[in-house]
Amino acid sequence: NAGVTQTPKFQVLKTGQSMTLQCAQDMNHNSMYWYRQDPGMGLRLIYYSASEGTTDKGEVPNGYNVSRLNKREFSLRLESAAPSQTSVYFCASSHTRWEQYFGPGTRLTVT
Amino acid sequence: DAKTTQPNSMESNEEEPVHLPCNHSTISGTDYIHWYRQLPSQGPEYVIHGLTSNVNNRMASLAIAEDRKSSTLILHRATLRDAAVYYCILRKSGGTSYGKLTFGQGTILTVHP
Repeated sequence: NAGVTQTPKFQVLKTGQSMTLQCAQDMNHNSMYWYRQDPGMGLRLIYYSASEGTTDKGEVPNGYNVSRLNKREFSLRLESAAPSQTSVYFCASSHTRWEQYFGPGTRLTVT
Repeated sequence: DAKTTQPNSMESNEEEPVHLPCNHSTISGTDYIHWYRQLPSQGPEYVIHGLTSNVNNRMASLAIAEDRKSSTLILHRATLRDAAVYYCILRKSGGTSYGKLTFGQGTILTVHP
């Protein structure tokens, strides 16, 4: 099993550009999550999807949209990137309410 | 929401036990205590969780105070690979907080050879 995969690994954007971060899991998990981690900080929840077909806002949803494409895939879109969105983005998935499995992260820089 | 307090950093020597403390004095009865760790340049990794009783798994042990206002993650024999940031997280068992983890700044564990 690959677990949770994220693409791309690195991305540099100019202010105002848009992009979509992709996440996929092969563990048949119901729930998926997007977090961001700023330097020296803990992770903060952006959006989550408790099950296929549902999405909900987390702690810091402004400037982002998500799509739960199917049970395996959960994408995060930045419509108009801003320097404040420079961060490392982690996707995670879970089957139960217990352990979450995290991907390797996407390092995004917005100039 | 209940918060956790952890030391910013701790140090240990290889092959020695490590006790990582966490205070959560405002914990509610429905809060589970979760521990995750994050190795350098990686995503967080689940370590262990518990509610009231002490818990053991292949990675670590979790000791929970009788009043649940504090807990300790115990690594029985630290290895260099255990050097990471350790997060103590309170996770509600239901309602609209389904699945949500709130990460603090964690404890940076340094392991010396």
